[in-house]
Amino acid sequence: KQEVTQIPAALSVPEGENLVLNCSFTDSAIYNLQWFRQDPGKGLTSLLLIQSSQREQTSGRLNASLDKSSGRSTLYIAASQPGDSATYLCAVSRAGNMLTFGGGTRLMVKP
Amino acid sequence: ETGVTQSPTHLIKTRGQQVTLRCSSQSGHNTVSWYQQALGQGPQFIFQYYREEENGRGNFPPRFSGLQFPNYSSELNVNALELDDSALYLCASSLAESSYEQYFGPGTRLTVT
Repeated sequence: KQEVTQIPAALSVPEGENLVLNCSFTDSAIYNLQWFRQDPGKGLTSLLLIQSSQREQTSGRLNASLDKSSGRSTLYIAASQPGDSATYLCAVSRAGNMLTFGGGTRLMVKP
Repeated sequence: ETGVTQSPTHLIKTRGQQVTLRCSSQSGHNTVSWYQQALGQGPQFIFQYYREEENGRGNFPPRFSGLQFPNYSSELNVNALELDDSALYLCASSLAESSYEQYFGPGTRLTVT
């Protein structure tokens, strides 16, 4: 059974810091890994998707890497801003594109 | 291109009642998945529908059931509601191939009292 863990569970940083969110998964037989952002009480917004054959993806200040063999992914956020405050979720896709999520990292960026 | 929409936004039900939640997929997507997200946790996969048939199911009891219609919209039905069913219910649409992104709706907040 696939299990996804995200560390840390919560993170508070001052504005402008670069930060790394971690995601690990137990079964390396995945199709892809996706990072999402969730604002309080809202749905999920897809940030980055990394196919199983890829090593990383970049979008603006965000960079996500994937190491399938070790079962790890990181989301790097450069020059953090208060607007980045949200919960960040990683999810891995198995057969049929059914997602298994981690518990999320709650990020607070202080002005 | 329209996004994924869900209705209602919020719902309050009493234990033992039944509820139906609705989801309209993103245009062109033929697969819809439903997830349950309890407060402070990550979403958990309930089931997935592809071309009107259930295509996979998570660890949820049979009182959670669904439908997908020819226009690819979907319903989630929950019978005999329990207090632990209180959660945010999310639907996501995608193309069938596993390499494609999933696009989520805003969710329905269900409270069972």
